[in-house]
Amino acid sequence: NAGVMQNPRHLVRRRGQEARLRCSPMKGHSHVYWYRQLPEEGLKFMVYLQKENIIDESGMPKERFSAEFPKEGPSILRIQQVVRGDSAAYFCASSPSGTAGEAQYFGPGTRLLVL
Amino acid sequence: AQSVTQPDIHITVSEGASLELRCNYSYGATPYLFWYVQSPGQGLQLLLKYFSGDTLVQGIKGFEAEFKRSQSSFNLRKPSVHWSDAAEYFCAVALNNAGNMLTFGGGTRLMVKP
Repeated sequence: NAGVMQNPRHLVRRRGQEARLRCSPMKGHSHVYWYRQLPEEGLKFMVYLQKENIIDESGMPKERFSAEFPKEGPSILRIQQVVRGDSAAYFCASSPSGTAGEAQYFGPGTRLLVL
Repeated sequence: AQSVTQPDIHITVSEGASLELRCNYSYGATPYLFWYVQSPGQGLQLLLKYFSGDTLVQGIKGFEAEFKRSQSSFNLRKPSVHWSDAAEYFCAVALNNAGNMLTFGGGTRLMVKP
C-alpha cells in the first residue's frame, strides 16, 4: 500500500516562474493538507482540501498561491511568479475522513529552490 | 494567542541515555496531541498521538509521551536512545472544533553521541 507520494522531490525555479507541486494521497484517503516548512522552522498549515473542494485555506498567502484537488488525479499546489522567499519544503499529508484529531500521513516533501 | 512551544531547539544525548523532549501548548481546551519525527531530507513520521483516556501514551520505536493537563504539556520520552534516533522531532496539536489542520511546534533537533 503506497504512502503519500509527492513530485517532484526537488524543484528549482527562477524568480517569476511558476511552480507546480503534486501530491497523491494514500489509497482510500480523500482529505489532503498542504504545509510549508521554511528553513530551520516548523511546518505551517497552508490549505486543506477534499475532492473538488477547498475546506480551509486560512494559511495560504493571499496572492500567487492556489491549490486544487480534482475529482481525478493528484492535488496540485501552484505558486505563480515565485520569489526567493518561496524557497521552502512543501509537504502534503492525507487522512481518510478529515475527522478532528485523525492522524495525518505525510509525503516526503518537495524542496523548492528559487534562484 | 494559541501556540505550541518546544523550548529546546537542540538536544544532545549519549547513546543509551534517557531522553525527554518538551512540548507545551496554549489553548483554551485540551487539543489532540501528536509527536512526529523527521529524518534529514525526509517527510514526517507519526510516533504517537493522544486523544483522551490514559495520559501515558505508547508509540513506535520505543517512544512514549505523557499528557499533563495541569502543565499543558505533552513531553516525549525514551528510556534508552539509539544512534538512529538522531532526527528532528515535532510536537503538533489539532483542535476539535477547527477541522483537522495541525499546528506544529518549532521542532527539537536531537543529536546522539556514540
